[in-house]
Amino acid sequence: DAKTTQPPSMDCAEGRAANLPCNHSTISGNEYVYWYRQIHSQGPQYIIHGLKNNETNEMASLIITEDRKSSTLILPHATLRDTAVYYCIVRSPNSGNTPLVFGKGTRLSVIA
Amino acid sequence: EAGVVQSPRYKIIEKKQPVAFWCNPISGHNTLYWYLQNLGQGPELLIRYENEEAVDDSQLPKDRFSAERLKGVDSTLKIQPAELGDSAVYLCASSQTGAGKAFFGQGTRLTVV
Repeated sequence: DAKTTQPPSMDCAEGRAANLPCNHSTISGNEYVYWYRQIHSQGPQYIIHGLKNNETNEMASLIITEDRKSSTLILPHATLRDTAVYYCIVRSPNSGNTPLVFGKGTRLSVIA
Repeated sequence: EAGVVQSPRYKIIEKKQPVAFWCNPISGHNTLYWYLQNLGQGPELLIRYENEEAVDDSQLPKDRFSAERLKGVDSTLKIQPAELGDSAVYLCASSQTGAGKAFFGQGTRLTVV
């Protein structure tokens, strides 16, 4: 079962920041937070992951709260091409090569 | 670098017929996954391979589904016989051993009529 809770859908105006929340209140100390997205008719695409420090790459920023019970994925300047389902996943790297367990994710609609 | 390649992209078959899906993972990736995705749902794991060994197939309906990964590279997933409820997208993914960053193919959309 997925260990995360995400809102089912969100809207964002084009050019504005999209802030996607994720609750993972039962996260263990060694579990990482991963974000993937799935654009219509494509397979999921890795975005970013982190343990406890904030992370940033060319696609997005990941903000993890100090107690690690929640996180926010930030797309700083959303475009129409960012319209997708975004999945927040927690995974431990210490239990072998465990698979990614997907929930239903958040459907982000970027509006012109 | 080529990504994960799946074929066919789409498949329509009549119920009770067999069907097979093929996946070519990223070169050097020892771990290969097959996921099933129903409409409006997130992907669900069917089977995971480490090289040629199936290390997690607990969610694979073994009465009709089978998979193989010969030589630890390409993989095929087969359904025989197909049922109406098997209509879904079948996704293949690969990763380096132990990595949480997986790369997915575009999937095969199966329609059983």
